[in-house]
Amino acid sequence: NAGVTQTPKFQVLKTGQSMTLQCAQDMNHEYMSWYRQDPGMGLRLIHYSVGAGITDQGEVPNGYNVSRSTTEDFPLRLLSAAPSQTSVYFCASSFSPPGQLRNEQFFGPGTRLTVL
Amino acid sequence: AQSVAQPEDQVNVAEGNPLTVKCTYSVSGNPYLFWYVQYPNRGLQFLLKYITGDNLVKGSYGFEAEFNKSQTSFHLKKPSALVSDSALYFCAVRDKVTNDYKLSFGAGTTVTVRA
Repeated sequence: NAGVTQTPKFQVLKTGQSMTLQCAQDMNHEYMSWYRQDPGMGLRLIHYSVGAGITDQGEVPNGYNVSRSTTEDFPLRLLSAAPSQTSVYFCASSFSPPGQLRNEQFFGPGTRLTVL
Repeated sequence: AQSVAQPEDQVNVAEGNPLTVKCTYSVSGNPYLFWYVQYPNRGLQFLLKYITGDNLVKGSYGFEAEFNKSQTSFHLKKPSALVSDSALYFCAVRDKVTNDYKLSFGAGTTVTVRA
């Protein structure tokens, strides 16, 4: 299994540009989520999904869109990039949501995004 | 609302000494609690979790954590630290009473184990 894969690993954008961060998992996990990691703030949940066709907002959803058309893929779209979105983005997946059985999350390697 | 606090930004210990990383939480109901570790330039890795039952939870790499409801704490411990334990550690919580599936993370504690 490849686990959780994320592309690209690094990206530099100009303010106002849009882009999609890709996330895929091959473990047949139902629960997937996107986090951003900023120094001194830990991980903050952006969006999550409990299955194909179902998404919901996390703590910091503004400026981001997600979709879940398949179990495997959970792309994160930045609509109009802003310098405040400079961060490291992690995708994670698990069989079940937090608190249920088999809920250990597997994290991707991250995407380091810089917005100028 | 649910939240997690990791009161120490950094913990420094000598190899072979006990290691403790502190975590306190706030929830409306009862908590689900987790510890994750992040090595440099890597994603997070699961260490252990508390869902219900025994307050002492054993996890990967010799780590354990004790759930203390009266003190609302879930401190991570290792009896004898290794240099390879040097990493960033995150505590996370989900409130059992909520119907959403959001996991809240603490800010993280950097552990440095010196040889």
